[in-house]
Amino acid sequence: EIVLTQSPGTLSLSPGERATLSCRASQSVSSSYLAWYQQKPGQAPRLLIYGASSRATGIPDRFSGSGSGTDFTLTISSLEPEDFAVYHCQQYGTSGLTFGGGTKVEIK
Amino acid sequence: EVQLVESGGGLVQPGGSLRLSCAASGFTFSRYAMSWVRQAPGKGLEWVSGISGSGGSTYYADSVKGRLTISRDNSKNMMHLQMSSLRVEDTAVYYCAKFEAADTLGAFDIWGQGTMVTVSS
Repeated sequence: EIVLTQSPGTLSLSPGERATLSCRASQSVSSSYLAWYQQKPGQAPRLLIYGASSRATGIPDRFSGSGSGTDFTLTISSLEPEDFAVYHCQQYGTSGLTFGGGTKVEIK
Repeated sequence: EVQLVESGGGLVQPGGSLRLSCAASGFTFSRYAMSWVRQAPGKGLEWVSGISGSGGSTYYADSVKGRLTISRDNSKNMMHLQMSSLRVEDTAVYYCAKFEAADTLGAFDIWGQGTMVTVSS
């Protein structure tokens, strides 16, 4: 099973700042199967990025994904008030489907 | 509108059984693989089980293998999760989720609102 480790656990930033979230895999992940989700309290996750760098329908362009192999990054170029939430990465490979532990982006 | 609606959650004793259902609408259900993903209180997301569009292939996380059974009825646009030998650690919100690409596993583009399963004596 591929283990995804997200860092930092919590990111404290102010609106307008840039957020950089990391997702590191224990083994190489196909870029086609690396996704990022946003989750707000009491809500279901929402797909932001799939295929490591493709934005899902309706996702603003301040969200971008990058990376390959074992290191992937989600960047929010300028935080809006509605972006404060928990972010999860997810991979699908031959050994199954796994999620990272999540990164909470909180208001500083 | 593409929508997934879960039902069937509740309180059950350890060792008991429960059947969750997911009603799909707004897309060609039979074309897409589907999944169940759970989230224990205050914890991260955990993939539980998946099923191909035809229902011919099923997939399970090691933590639930042998205790949970996924199925679907394409004539009714429904997916189910039969849960047995439930444990306290199965307590979670269970989400129904649709895979983004037709009949392949990958990212989840549509999620239901979730149904809570509590296993407690």
